[in-house]
Amino acid sequence: DARVTQTPRHKVTEMGQEVTMRCQPILGHNTVFWYRQTMMQGLELLAYFRNRAPLDDSGMPKDRFSAEMPDATLATLKIQPSEPRDSAVYFCASGLPTPGYYEQYFGPGTRLTVT
Amino acid sequence: AQSVTQLDSHVSVSEGTPVLLRCNYSSSYSPSLFWYVQHPNKGLQLLLKYTSAATLVKGINGFEAEFKKSETSFHLTKPSAHMSDAAEYFCVVSPRYNQGGKLIFGQGTELSVKP
Repeated sequence: DARVTQTPRHKVTEMGQEVTMRCQPILGHNTVFWYRQTMMQGLELLAYFRNRAPLDDSGMPKDRFSAEMPDATLATLKIQPSEPRDSAVYFCASGLPTPGYYEQYFGPGTRLTVT
Repeated sequence: AQSVTQLDSHVSVSEGTPVLLRCNYSSSYSPSLFWYVQHPNKGLQLLLKYTSAATLVKGINGFEAEFKKSETSFHLTKPSAHMSDAAEYFCVVSPRYNQGGKLIFGQGTELSVKP
């Protein structure tokens, strides 16, 4: 049963620290998405990649967030320096474009708390 | 441009009674539509999808949805609610595969199931 995996599942850190979240997409999926979910804003798309190349990162605060895909099996999302307002659940999703539409499979999320 | 509107932010039903979660969409072309479910502290799980084949789509856990082009609707139904159905449900419009892959999420409907 292929799944998207994310690590860590929970992270508590102090303001100003660097945070790195990792995602392993489903093998063979060529598109990876990063989302952030909060009670106030709901689900927001931060960035996404196709074939490891960034396609759109307009949803990401560029001064502190960065997203990369070092290889086809790993996507990373970094926050440096972290701030309390970054506290949220961060989801990774992967997908494979099927003619006519996209289908995305979500990981379990990383719950980030910045104190 | 595409958009999706979930007409109810919260729905409450009694166990064993029918479930109806309403979703209207707007799209400049024939859309692909999904319903995702998110249980508390979990990731999003694909419940069912419409991709221009049969207009009545069956999903997991007894859910189904009917695509009605004339009404621009894609409502989610289940004949008999179970306690385990309590969750947040998202109606989603998918772009065409050549338009980047950015899913468009509704605001979500929280389903409560009373014993």
